[in-house]
Amino acid sequence: GAVVSQHPSRVICKSGTSVKIECRSLDFQATTMFWYRQFPKQSLMLMATSNEGSKATYEQGVEKDKFLINHASLTLSTLTVTSAHPEDSSFYICSARVPGLDQFFGPGTRLTVL
Amino acid sequence: AQKITQTQPGMFVQEKEAVTLDCTYDTSDQSYGLFWYKQPSSGEMIFLIYQGSYDEQNATEGRYSLNFQKARKSANLVISASQLGDSAMYFCAMSPGYSSASKIIFGSGTRLSIRP
Repeated sequence: GAVVSQHPSRVICKSGTSVKIECRSLDFQATTMFWYRQFPKQSLMLMATSNEGSKATYEQGVEKDKFLINHASLTLSTLTVTSAHPEDSSFYICSARVPGLDQFFGPGTRLTVL
Repeated sequence: AQKITQTQPGMFVQEKEAVTLDCTYDTSDQSYGLFWYKQPSSGEMIFLIYQGSYDEQNATEGRYSLNFQKARKSANLVISASQLGDSAMYFCAMSPGYSSASKIIFGSGTRLSIRP
């Protein structure tokens, strides 16, 4: 089946620094990828839709200047958390959907901001 | 706007018993898809089963079946013969379409615990 990878799996950073998370589709091309955030014991909340070659579409309430998304190729989307603060600590999950099939999720990135 | 509701925050079930996880949804779309995902403590999202809004038969995948009642807008997950490894969070989800650009929204989840 299709595989989506994320890197890093876990990151700890200081408050005020920026963190980049990569999402790759390993054996298929993904024109669209999705970024979710999951706080402890809560559900996945869609942050944005990443579109290859164009601007990302952000969900209401998500700051586009804080969560920068770049989808430069058909296999890679990146999420950069700029000037991270402790409240940004969360589990970030990306996914990609193959037409006609289900949505494939990456293993997630656990971000801890000190 | 689409909405997914899971009213059971937690459930305890004896091993080998069947369990039903409830899910209701709200949408004005005619074409949509319904999903169930399992999330163990590791955090990975594991796809379990899919039901299209135009599918007349309930979806089944091994021990998982989806009780789709379109008029009631419900899509309950039934796990037969539960196993200890079934203990996890379960999320019901919906997509307003079938294309790769159709986003998926999730319910709040149900934590299932299987007792030996």
